[in-house]
Formats: sequence, structure tokens, C-alpha cells
Amino acid sequence: EVQLVESGGTLVQPGKSLRLSCAGSGLSIQSFWMTWVRQAPGKGLEWVANINPDGSEENYLDSVKGRFTMSRDNAKNSLYLDMNNLRAEDTAVYYCARQAVSVRGINWFDPWGQGTLVTVSS
Amino acid sequence: DIQMTQFPSSLSASVGDRVTLTCRASRTFGGYLNWYQHKPGKAPKLLIYSASSLQAGVPSRFSGSGSGTDFTLTISNLQPEDFATYYCQQSYFIPYTFGQGTRLEIK
Repeated sequence: EVQLVESGGTLVQPGKSLRLSCAGSGLSIQSFWMTWVRQAPGKGLEWVANINPDGSEENYLDSVKGRFTMSRDNAKNSLYLDMNNLRAEDTAVYYCARQAVSVRGINWFDPWGQGTLVTVSS
Repeated sequence: DIQMTQFPSSLSASVGDRVTLTCRASRTFGGYLNWYQHKPGKAPKLLIYSASSLQAGVPSRFSGSGSGTDFTLTISNLQPEDFATYYCQQSYFIPYTFGQGTRLEIK
């Protein structure tokens, strides 16, 4: 089955750090931009960050810039999100997704993983 | 940042109905507009990319249109499995932004 599988979500105290992982199964991520999207409880989807195929370019949502770092290991077909100085407002289900890009530069997210829950609370 | 506004925020409909969901952007960005379906506890699913292109494997009862700042997702002949939350997303400017979602419920 072609899928992305996230892991690493847990309950963590404010100010602490956490690493999320995303592994490709039945699909390769190495030639693709990859992205993280989150959904806070009762809220909609929010794009968090993305990274280019060789890991040399990253982009971040302003509210996580300087606290979150996205990286990848193409040899392991895996993606990571290192989250530092976590805040209560970072509580969310975090999804990874493959970012497809057409020849015209149009891009979209497909497929997505089922998500991993991060709860930031004391 | 580009603000994406979806309306209605919720909609009740019956199996077999035809519904239209609307997404409006705060500024134009070409056709870099995608639609996703999301069910609780599941991975979001891409339905439409580039405003009107149907993703492979998605039933043809889903269609997208629009340009400029106004886009629509139409679902014809609603099926029980279509009841979910639908999100539009612009993928032109970073940060990529989503609408707040339209929750489609069974009447």
C-alpha cells in the first residue's frame, strides 16, 4: 500500500522539544518537495513547513520560524520535524504530505499521512 | 498572507443532491487552487488540483472551476461517502493557506 506514516506525537510540556518523523511506504519521497500541515483541535488545516528534494531549501510558517526545523533523509525515505520551545498553540494533529509539482510549477499535496497528535500541556 | 474564505461553513444535503461549495481568495494568484476532502481520523484526500483538474481515482461527480479570486467545487449526485469537510488551498504564495472548511452533512 502506498502511504506516508507519521510518528512521534505525544504529550509534552510547554518549552520542551519533540521530533516528528514521516516515513514513506510503497512510495519514494526523494524526488519530491515534502510538507507538514497541522490541524488544531476543532480548527481547520494549517500549512507549517516544506522542504525541497535535496534538503537545501526550507520554508516555514511565521509562527514556527526559529522554533521548528524540517529535514529529510532520502536514503531512509523519511522526513522529520524538530519542534523546539513548544507552546500550547502548537497542539495539533501533524500531517506530512508529498508535494507534487507540475511542469508549470503548479503544486498540490498528495498523498497525506494519517497524522500524529502533539499535545502541549503542563 | 492570502486569506481563503469558504462558504457556506456548513451545508446539509441529501443523497443524490448536487451541491456547490465556494472559495474566495483575498487576492488573485492564477489557478493554483486545490480542493481536499477530510474525514475525521483519516488522511486528507486531494480531489481537485489547479482549480479544475480531477485527481486520478476521484469520481467524476466532483468538479472544480473558477479563476481570479473565486473558485467552486461542485459535487453531483451526492453519495453517502461524500459527507465530510472540504478545504480549498492556494499553493502559489508561501505561506500556503487553506480555507476554514465547509462541513457537508447529511440532511
